[in-house]
Amino acid sequence: GAGVSQSPSNKVTEKGKDVELRCDPISGHTALYWYRQRLGQGLEFLIYFQGNSAPDKSGLPSDRFSAERTGESVSTLTIQRTQQEDSAVYLCASSLAWISGNTIYFGEGSWLTVV
Amino acid sequence: GESVGLHLPTLSVQEGDNSIINCAYSNSASDYFIWYKQESGKGPQFIIDIRSNMDKRQGQRVTVLLNKTVKHLSLQIAATQPGDSAVYFCAETRVTGGGNKLTFGTGTQLKVEL
Repeated sequence: GAGVSQSPSNKVTEKGKDVELRCDPISGHTALYWYRQRLGQGLEFLIYFQGNSAPDKSGLPSDRFSAERTGESVSTLTIQRTQQEDSAVYLCASSLAWISGNTIYFGEGSWLTVV
Repeated sequence: GESVGLHLPTLSVQEGDNSIINCAYSNSASDYFIWYKQESGKGPQFIIDIRSNMDKRQGQRVTVLLNKTVKHLSLQIAATQPGDSAVYFCAETRVTGGGNKLTFGTGTQLKVEL
């Protein structure tokens, strides 16, 4: 596709349920990032994938959060036993390489509401 | 700790005026800075970037200024238009070991008044 695609665009889930959020990066982009944005706030780094290197998971807030990426394509962010504080927009982004200077392109986000 | 912050949470300007959005950063090791625009309900959109070996960079109607001495970054928008209304974020990263892991500021809401 022309841009980073995320699904679902909106998700309402009950507290305690697991959710999966999907990201399709721009074709050819080897780097993929997940960020979280709470209402009215900036973006918090969650996790970063670059090619076949071990992902940088330093931003994951708890062990309830995990992410996987198949090769240099689709990534899935999983939140287990969701809590109300997990309500946020989850933004995926991709770039050509991890070398600083390459533009990072963001998707429209997956809006998660935990009730 | 390391942080990137903005001076003003909301900026209101008249259509046609120039806008200046400011950003302060605390990590002197930061060497690459990006400005993003985020419209309501959408993901951040790249506007312009600048490396630490530069003081100024210009784009279409936008200029980014970097003052490494005081760790300050600004975004200037010329002839502000209603379509410029959005939240603007600055972000920083470090080349060494940082990849493209960006640290974002809280954001400045730009409101363009007709």
